[in-house]
Amino acid sequence: QVQLQESGPGLVKPSQTLSLTCTVSGGSISSGDYYWSWIRQPPGKGLEWIGYIYYIGSTSYNPALKSRVTISVDTSKNQFSLKLSSVTAADTAVYYCARAPVTVADSETFEYWGQGTLVTVSS
Amino acid sequence: DIQMTQSPSSLSASVGDRVTITCRASQSISSYLNWYQQKPGKAPKLLIYAASSLQSGVPSRFSGSGSGTDFTLTITSLQPEDFATYHCQQSYTIPRTFGQGTKVEIK
Repeated sequence: QVQLQESGPGLVKPSQTLSLTCTVSGGSISSGDYYWSWIRQPPGKGLEWIGYIYYIGSTSYNPALKSRVTISVDTSKNQFSLKLSSVTAADTAVYYCARAPVTVADSETFEYWGQGTLVTVSS
Repeated sequence: DIQMTQSPSSLSASVGDRVTITCRASQSISSYLNWYQQKPGKAPKLLIYAASSLQSGVPSRFSGSGSGTDFTLTITSLQPEDFATYHCQQSYTIPRTFGQGTKVEIK
């Protein structure tokens, strides 16, 4: 059974960079069968897709965040990471990592999720 | 971006009720529509993918239908563990987008 676990600071100061890591167990990121995604949910609000990475390093980002987002992968550690720069209070959210099977149609269905981690942006 | 609009935003129902939640896309997304269930403090859980396919392990009282712009999630006989928030998500194009959620509460 695959498991995903987010880790990183729970408090980030405004204008700084938010950094999170997702550790995957029970399956290999290098299998090539999945996209590895980040999704966030501000308190009391809906879900927002941030982007995904494929094991070879190719990425796709939400245009609304693209200028500030970097997703990277470390196959040797079976981890992928999120960096979000120049954060403001609007970036306060629960951040989830998730796995989606690769499909011919390039669609994304999030079949496994991490438990989520709350990141608060505040001075 | 494709906007996903769910209705209602919330509903009250009793155990055993039939519940229907609607999701409308701002443009056609074929059948690239997924449904998730989220309980407080937990991650979303995939229920239905490709509009009408039941995810493994999900009870058969959950079903999905629709294509194009209009989609429906139906729970045929609501159980106590079904009280939660339900989200739709389009996987047709980038950026992936979600509905605002429908909260199912106990009447």
